[in-house]
Amino acid sequence: AQRVTQPEKLLSVFKGAPVELKCNYSYSGSPELFWYVQYSRQRLQLLLRHISRESIKGFTADLNKGETSFHLKKPFAQEEDSAMYYCALKRSNTGKLIFGQGTTLQVKP
Amino acid sequence: ETGVTQSPTHLIKTRGQQVTLRCSSQSGHNTVSWYQQALGQGPQFIFQYYREEENGRGNFPPRFSGLQFPNYSSELNVNALELDDSALYLCASSYRDRVFFGYTFGSGTRLTVV
Repeated sequence: AQRVTQPEKLLSVFKGAPVELKCNYSYSGSPELFWYVQYSRQRLQLLLRHISRESIKGFTADLNKGETSFHLKKPFAQEEDSAMYYCALKRSNTGKLIFGQGTTLQVKP
Repeated sequence: ETGVTQSPTHLIKTRGQQVTLRCSSQSGHNTVSWYQQALGQGPQFIFQYYREEENGRGNFPPRFSGLQFPNYSSELNVNALELDDSALYLCASSYRDRVFFGYTFGSGTRLTVV
């Protein structure tokens, strides 16, 4: 079965500290993986996609097929990064997104 | 370019009633998906519509049904409401037939069943 696991419900760091939000997945095929973010009182929005290999707002995520992980990283956290972060997997031949339970990132001043 | 809009924003219904939620897709998008997000959980896929036909369904009973219209707007209908149907319902649109860039989500409809 396809599944996305985000083991931490809450991650609290100080401003300027490195951040790593963990995401593990189970899927037998070639997954497409995404990180979505939801800031307070805002809608869910796409942060980045693994196929783009891009850096958005200083965040990066590398797909590790051996460890079936897609951790989200940022070297120096900012207070404005405080939000709920969801990792999501899309099966290659469907439109269905499978979300993890989400991790709340709290960046303290 | 308009985003995804959903209506109403909040709704209270009684157990056993029926409800219709509405979604207007982002301009240029031809695919719409619906998700249910219970409190403290990630969104769960209900179903997707493409060119007015259901194109994939999650583990939801048949009392959850939908429609997509020629202008790509969409409805989610839920019959015989149960207390566990209380959740945030999200609509998401995208453009199929091209590289998938990710869904654009609406702000959701908060449904409370009492």
